Amino acid sequence: DAGVTQSPTHLIKTRGQQVTLRCSPKSGHDTVSWYQQALGQGPQFIFQYYEEEERQRGNFPDRFSGHQFPNYSSELNVNALLLGDSALYLCASSPRQGTYGYTFGSGTRLTVV
Amino acid sequence: AQKVTQAQTEISVVEKEDVTLDCVYETRDTTYYLFWYKQPPSGELVFLIRRNSFDEQNEISGRYSWNFQKSTSSFNFTITASQVVDSAVYFCALSARFLTTDSWGKFQFGAGTQVVVTP
Repeated sequence: DAGVTQSPTHLIKTRGQQVTLRCSPKSGHDTVSWYQQALGQGPQFIFQYYEEEERQRGNFPDRFSGHQFPNYSSELNVNALLLGDSALYLCASSPRQGTYGYTFGSGTRLTVV
Repeated sequence: AQKVTQAQTEISVVEKEDVTLDCVYETRDTTYYLFWYKQPPSGELVFLIRRNSFDEQNEISGRYSWNFQKSTSSFNFTITASQVVDSAVYFCALSARFLTTDSWGKFQFGAGTQVVVTP
């Protein structure tokens, strides 16, 4: 049973560019959450998607946007990249109604130069 | 607002020593879950233990044990007889319920504690 799959694993972008990160949730999960983890820090909640809608959002600017598809997979888009956006981006999937089975992917390491 | 504090930034031990990681949390929610995750260099967060706010019974699972004290808002985690493979960053996390959507999911993480186990 595949867990949470994220792509790509590593990415290098130039300041000002746009980037799209992808996440496939664990089988049976319909809710996807995204986190940003800067070097040496704990993950910070970006937003959560359920039924193709953004349900909750953390303290991140509008440059961060997302999408969830009918098959529950999700994308995270970041526009106008800043050097400070360099981080590990983690996707987590879960069943709708509880924290049981909350599963993280291995993340996408984004470097902005 | 929720907050999770891990005051220890790094702990170094020799193999077979016990390691205790401290976690203090703040939340106004009456229903919440507390977690410990392990993050090896590969980056994936590995689930270790979960405790809900109504259950203060402390347990042992293999080499892992935890001490949940609601009165002091602490959720400490102990690795007994540490091994080199335990070297990783350990995160304490809190998950409460979204009142607006009656759903779970938002995790508030601490800053993490780096555990280094040497042979």
